[in-house]
Amino acid sequence: KAGVTQTPRYLIKTRGQQVTLSCSPISGHRSVSWYQQTPGQGLQFLFEYFSETQRNKGNFPGRFSGRQFSNSRSEMNVSTLELGDSALYLCASSLEASGLYEQYFGPGTRLTVT
Amino acid sequence: DAKTTQPPSMDCAEGRAANLPCNHSTISGNEYVYWYRQIHSQGPQYIIHGLKNNETNEMASLIITEDRKSSTLILPHATLRDTAVYYCIVGTTGTASKLTFGTGTRLQVTL
Repeated sequence: KAGVTQTPRYLIKTRGQQVTLSCSPISGHRSVSWYQQTPGQGLQFLFEYFSETQRNKGNFPGRFSGRQFSNSRSEMNVSTLELGDSALYLCASSLEASGLYEQYFGPGTRLTVT
Repeated sequence: DAKTTQPPSMDCAEGRAANLPCNHSTISGNEYVYWYRQIHSQGPQYIIHGLKNNETNEMASLIITEDRKSSTLILPHATLRDTAVYYCIVGTTGTASKLTFGTGTRLQVTL
């Protein structure tokens, strides 16, 4: 079974621009979560989607948004990029609302904002 | 969610058991202990979880103290490929799938 895929793997953007990242979960998984990882703040939860509905949201500004499609694929969008948004963005999928275990992570998208 | 405390780094010789401790003194009765690891440049990987009984799977063993205030992840025969940051996380199952990662323990396995 194919794992979680994220596209693109690397991205360079300029301050003020916006960016859209994509995540394809494992086939059959309906829950998708997004995390941001930076050297200073570590791994931080952004939001979780289940059956196209946002169920949980972390403490990030409204510039960070996401959505989930009927095929469970998910996108996250960051508008008006700031230098501090440079990070590794990770997506994780799980079968159902299964809680904290058996979340399968993708390789991440490394975003650099200049 | 309860907070966890882990040593920032540990070393282990290849072939020996790696014992990674975690303190979670404020854990509540319905919170589980989860362990994930992150190998450099990869996404985190689930290892094991438990509530109050010791657990074992093909990757590791989890020993939880009787008062549940601390636990130990055991990798019985560490290899170089086990070099990673190991995260101990506590939380409930159910509708909230949010993982709250701390700073973790950087395990270095050496020859």
